[in-house]
Amino acid sequence: GAVVSQHPSWVICKSGTSVKIECRSLDFQATTMFWYRQFPKQSLMLMATSNEGSKATYEQGVEKDKFLINHASLTLSTLTVTSAHPEDSSFYICSARDFSDYNEQFFGPGTRLTVL
Amino acid sequence: GQNIDQPTEMTATEGAIVQINCTYQTSGFNGLFWYQQHAGEAPTFLSYNVLDGLEEKGRFSSFLSRSKGYSYLLLKELQMKDSASYLCAAMDSNYQLIWGAGTKLIIKP
Repeated sequence: GAVVSQHPSWVICKSGTSVKIECRSLDFQATTMFWYRQFPKQSLMLMATSNEGSKATYEQGVEKDKFLINHASLTLSTLTVTSAHPEDSSFYICSARDFSDYNEQFFGPGTRLTVL
Repeated sequence: GQNIDQPTEMTATEGAIVQINCTYQTSGFNGLFWYQQHAGEAPTFLSYNVLDGLEEKGRFSSFLSRSKGYSYLLLKELQMKDSASYLCAAMDSNYQLIWGAGTKLIIKP
């Protein structure tokens, strides 16, 4: 199957700093990438949908100025958590959809963010 | 509104069979997915059903009834490594996945 990578796999940062997470589709072109957040013992929560070359669509309750998403190419999307606070500590997972197959999403391995 | 329901937690014995049910309500329907997620890891794809019936893949099978808005994941010959959360997700008319909260499956020896 298709491979999606995320970097970094885990990060610890101080409160008030910004953190960038990269999501790459390694062997296919992803016209759409999704960013999820997952708190312990909870299901995935979709934060935003990102289409290559256009602005991301954020879900209700997700601050677009705090979670900056850039999908500049067909293989790369980035999520920047700006001015991170301890409540932003979570597991962030991206997934990518191949433009040729709308019915499947491929997940990255996730990024564990801890804000001190 | 759109909604996915699945049990929060189930317990089963190693070597046995377990069925995890999922009911869904979505705006339009483009298929039902099951994912497995081990603690601290991203979900991994298990199955996709878009037509009614049973799809068998090794020890795992998935069933769909579109008229009932119902699916189940059947796990046979349970192994300890099957202890995980199982996520049901339905794809709506916009090709967006609507996620259930997940079913934590505990396997006992």
